[in-house]
Amino acid sequence: GQNIDQPTEMTATEGAIVQINCTYQTSGFNGLFWYQQHAGEAPTFLSYNVLDGLEEKGRFSSFLSRSKGYSYLLLKELQMKDSASYLCAVRGYGQNFVFGPGTRLSVLP
Amino acid sequence: EAQVTQNPRYLITVTGKKLTVTCSQNMNHEYMSWYRQDPGLGLRQIYYSMNVEVTDKGDVPEGYKVSRKEKRNFPLILESPSPNQTSLYFCASSPKPTRLINEQFFGPGTRLTVL
Repeated sequence: GQNIDQPTEMTATEGAIVQINCTYQTSGFNGLFWYQQHAGEAPTFLSYNVLDGLEEKGRFSSFLSRSKGYSYLLLKELQMKDSASYLCAVRGYGQNFVFGPGTRLSVLP
Repeated sequence: EAQVTQNPRYLITVTGKKLTVTCSQNMNHEYMSWYRQDPGLGLRQIYYSMNVEVTDKGDVPEGYKVSRKEKRNFPLILESPSPNQTSLYFCASSPKPTRLINEQFFGPGTRLTVL
């Protein structure tokens, strides 16, 4: 079967650092993705990992450990506009996608 | 402007009345996909297409049909809608997936209510 887990909700303070974890068990692995989705809007792409390690992109970084079935998204210097849902997704060998339930992040002043 | 468009954006219909949600992209993308999003369940893939005339089932294909006769269009067809298909639907497209190109671009969503 396929299963992706993320925390349902997280809260952090403006200017702080927050780490959103994602664990997965899938029948095939061909990359892990993070998307951001503001309320009422479409998801937008944040990052992609296919090899173990850290990928950095400005204030956002994403880490992958394939042997542990684990990824995290790190957001630095949090801003109010970072309040959104963060979706973890795994792409299978057949180019299908499985998404996690999403983590709703609230950034407080 | 590069974009994915969906129509209609909002639709209220009744059980059993066939409907089609259109999806079109102007980025010459090979890969297109349909998802539904429900509270607590996240995005679930319905169908995807790697190119013209090539379609595959995602995790929740029951009750849906798709076709890919042209590269730019990927309509979602509900032959006999039922209330459990009430959901927010997203279409997405991307270039042919490679190690370097992987971003999916999502349409604005279609909110469907089946009474």
